[in-house]
Amino acid sequence: QKEVEQDPGPLSVPEGAIVSLNCTYSNSAFQYFMWYRQYSRKGPELLMYTYSSGNKEDGRFTAQVDKSSKYISLFIRDSQPSDSATYLCAMSASGGSNYKLTFGKGTLLTVNP
Amino acid sequence: ETGVTQTPRHLVMGMTNKKSLKCEQHLGHNAMYWYKQSAKKPLELMFVYSLEERVENNSVPSRFSPECPNSSHLFLHLHTLQPEDSALYLCASSVLVGGETQYFGPGTRLLVL
Repeated sequence: QKEVEQDPGPLSVPEGAIVSLNCTYSNSAFQYFMWYRQYSRKGPELLMYTYSSGNKEDGRFTAQVDKSSKYISLFIRDSQPSDSATYLCAMSASGGSNYKLTFGKGTLLTVNP
Repeated sequence: ETGVTQTPRHLVMGMTNKKSLKCEQHLGHNAMYWYKQSAKKPLELMFVYSLEERVENNSVPSRFSPECPNSSHLFLHLHTLQPEDSALYLCASSVLVGGETQYFGPGTRLLVL
């Protein structure tokens, strides 16, 4: 079983739709969970950062972590064409020597006007 | 310049060439990273530096040679590469190794012929 599983898509939605992106993981030591957005021909940029379980909201974006199910989600409300990008989940165990970020393969999202 | 910059943005090289990739971070961070991003694969961590000392060499072939002369600059020296080394090479930095938030540069798109 891969450490982090992420459906690569592609996912195509109409403008204004609610988008749900998900990752599952197998390592119960993961405590820090991130979502990165990567536009074409650019590096990943940090979108959301969550520690342990729970929800975090930032504007149209909501990140959810369910550690009991080893499942994380990113919701995008009122999606816009400018949200079209690849979304990467990433996670790590606690700091110190456990600094490695483990990434999913990324989900390619297209929001159609 | 702000954030993390990388040069060149694109590079084509033959298998017998020697070239170098450059990364510079303007964030005052102490940790820097090299990642490889190939199509349909998760980001692969290659090297990690903390305060100019290498703390991780993730089983990377010796044809890739990193150099970190100071905490703001990171190089990746390339020699006798193979076509399968063609990928997007991303540099990232964080406040400390173990700092979960990593900031990425735009990457160098490398094609090995």
